[in-house]
Amino acid sequence: ILNVEQSPQSLHVQEGDSTNFTCSFPSSNFYALHWYRWETAKSPEALFVMTLNGDEKKKGRISATLNTKEGYSYLYIKGSQPEDSATYLCAFPQGGSEKLVFGKGTKLTVNP
Amino acid sequence: DTAVSQTPKYLVTQMGNDKSIKCEQNLGHDTMYWYKQDSKKFLKIMFSYNNKELIINETVPNRFSPKSPDKAHLNLHINSLELGDSAVYFCASSQLSAGIDGYTFGSGTRLTVV
Repeated sequence: ILNVEQSPQSLHVQEGDSTNFTCSFPSSNFYALHWYRWETAKSPEALFVMTLNGDEKKKGRISATLNTKEGYSYLYIKGSQPEDSATYLCAFPQGGSEKLVFGKGTKLTVNP
Repeated sequence: DTAVSQTPKYLVTQMGNDKSIKCEQNLGHDTMYWYKQDSKKFLKIMFSYNNKELIINETVPNRFSPKSPDKAHLNLHINSLELGDSAVYFCASSQLSAGIDGYTFGSGTRLTVV
């Protein structure tokens, strides 16, 4: 059974704060790790696909790191803004297959 | 142009009815999926089709039947709707391997069974 765990489940920060959250996944048979951003009443949007140990990817104020040996990825948001409020999902292809298994997400609320 | 479009966006229907949700993608992707967002907001895969062929069929009641007339369309038909079928259903597509390319999601269909 493949488990993708995300923590914390929810997070409230003030505008301007920097924050980070974690995705844990089985470290054996690693294939790729995906991050999605999911705003309320919209569809999940792809942020990053990470494949190599030590990968670091960046998109504006959002960045992510990957450690495949210990099975975790961090997502960082620098200087959070209210528009960053969303649920951030990570996902892992089960057995390298077409099926992405999603974590339950971290719900981020940025207060103005 | 919407890349992955689902219709309808909202669907309210009575128990026992049969309903369909349609999905179309204009990305030229080979693989399409149906996911269900359950009551705990968790996204769980239901079905996947690659170029009109079923490749993933999770443990889903056989009241749910996907149909793919061509690789750009994947519809979901639900027979004898039950209260527990109320959820948001998301269609998605991917090019080549979802493992590397990830998904492009539709905007979801909120199904309410009363």
